Amino acid sequence: KQEVTQIPAALSVPEGENLVLNCSFTDSAIYNLQWFRQDPGKGLTSLLLIQSSQREQTSGRLNASLDKSSGRSTLYIAASQPGDSATYLCAVSSGGYQKVTFGTGTKLQVIP
Amino acid sequence: ETGVTQTPRHLVMGMTNKKSLKCEQHLGHNAMYWYKQSAKKPLELMFVYSLEERVENNSVPSRFSPECPNSSHLFLHLHTLQPEDSALYLCASSQVTGTNNYGYTFGSGTRLTVV
Repeated sequence: KQEVTQIPAALSVPEGENLVLNCSFTDSAIYNLQWFRQDPGKGLTSLLLIQSSQREQTSGRLNASLDKSSGRSTLYIAASQPGDSATYLCAVSSGGYQKVTFGTGTKLQVIP
Repeated sequence: ETGVTQTPRHLVMGMTNKKSLKCEQHLGHNAMYWYKQSAKKPLELMFVYSLEERVENNSVPSRFSPECPNSSHLFLHLHTLQPEDSALYLCASSQVTGTNNYGYTFGSGTRLTVV
C-alpha cells in the first residue's frame, strides 16, 4: 500500500527566502506526482504535474523534482512571498482511477 | 474558476434534511471523483465515476448517494447526515488512459455543516 509523507507539517519563513518542501512515498512504481496548494476552506489548485519519465517541472518561481528510485519529490519555491502562504499537498498516482494517494500537507507561512 | 465548478459553496443542514451537492466539469475529462476533507485528516476518496459508471465506492455510508447523469455532471445526494459528516467536500476530474491518471483538477469545494 502506497504511503505518502510530507515533512515538515508546518513551516514559517521570512519573506524573500528560498525554501524546499518534501514529499516521500514508499512505492516507487508510480505514474506521476502532482503538487497542489490549498488556501483555507478552499479547493486544491494544481501547481505542477511530473510524469514518472520526467525529473523536474518548472512554473514561474516553482520547481518540482522527482527521484523515483529514492521515493522522493521536492517543491522548491524561490523568493517566497506572503501570498505563497497556504498548505501544500503532494499526490502520487500509482495507476488508474483510484490509486492516487495524498500526503497530509505542509502548512507554509511566509512572514512579511 | 478552475474548470470544475461546485455548488453550493456553503451548506448548513439539519440531520433530517435532504440536500444535494453539484459538480460540473468543462474539461472533457472522463473520470470524476468525490473527496471528503475533515480537519487534520488526509483527503478521503469517497466515489469514483468513469464515463458515468461508478468504479469505486470506498465503504461510504449509504446516507451519501452519488449520481452521475453524464460525463460532465456529478451529484452527491445527502440524507439523514450526522454531525461528524461536517467537512469540506471536494469534487475533482481527471483524464484516465489505460492505467495512467493525467492529474486532477479540483473544484472549490462545498463546506458542509450538519447541525
